[in-house]
Amino acid sequence: DARVTQTPRHKVTEMGQEVTMRCQPILGHNTVFWYRQTMMQGLELLAYFRNRAPLDDSGMPKDRFSAEMPDATLATLKIQPSEPRDSAVYFCASGLGRWNGYTFGSGTRLTVV
Amino acid sequence: DAKTTQPPSMDCAEGRAANLPCNHSTISGNEYVYWYRQIHSQGPQYIIHGLKNNETNEMASLIITEDRKSSTLILPHATLRDTAVYYCIVRVSWDDKIIFGKGTRLHILP
Repeated sequence: DARVTQTPRHKVTEMGQEVTMRCQPILGHNTVFWYRQTMMQGLELLAYFRNRAPLDDSGMPKDRFSAEMPDATLATLKIQPSEPRDSAVYFCASGLGRWNGYTFGSGTRLTVV
Repeated sequence: DAKTTQPPSMDCAEGRAANLPCNHSTISGNEYVYWYRQIHSQGPQYIIHGLKNNETNEMASLIITEDRKSSTLILPHATLRDTAVYYCIVRVSWDDKIIFGKGTRLHILP
């Protein structure tokens, strides 16, 4: 089965450091999403792209978070500077058109100390 | 605003059918019903979706009432591996976004 690949799987960093999370969507999928999951807030949509163009990043803290798709095989989510409240599991998902389900990656577990 | 209402938790005996209800009383004609699940420590997994007809695939069946105000996800023969949080989501046909609520935590009992 085709998979969405996220790296790293785990990241522990100190407050103030820059963090970059990467996602390789399924080849041919044109829609990519970033979600964040915490115990308190559940799954929150941060941003999404269609055909590499950012369509909605209203769920993202603008001052410290940025999401990009440098090419069709790579999506990145960057936090600079990181804060303890950013500790969460970050999921990437991809899909081909809105009429089907989306495939999620295994997530990046971020801990900011 | 929550578009769907699900019970916070349910139990089901292994081997029996698990019937997960979802209320979406304010659903409009161009909104689809989607179901995802999330097994512990994994990413969410797409299960099934429908508009107004009942749907079945290799994982589950989706029964949508005639007035479309509620639906039921059926896992015909639940196994321990079906223990997960199940999310019922209503999505407008023209929107790509999937917005997750709190879901139902399903426990399959041996």
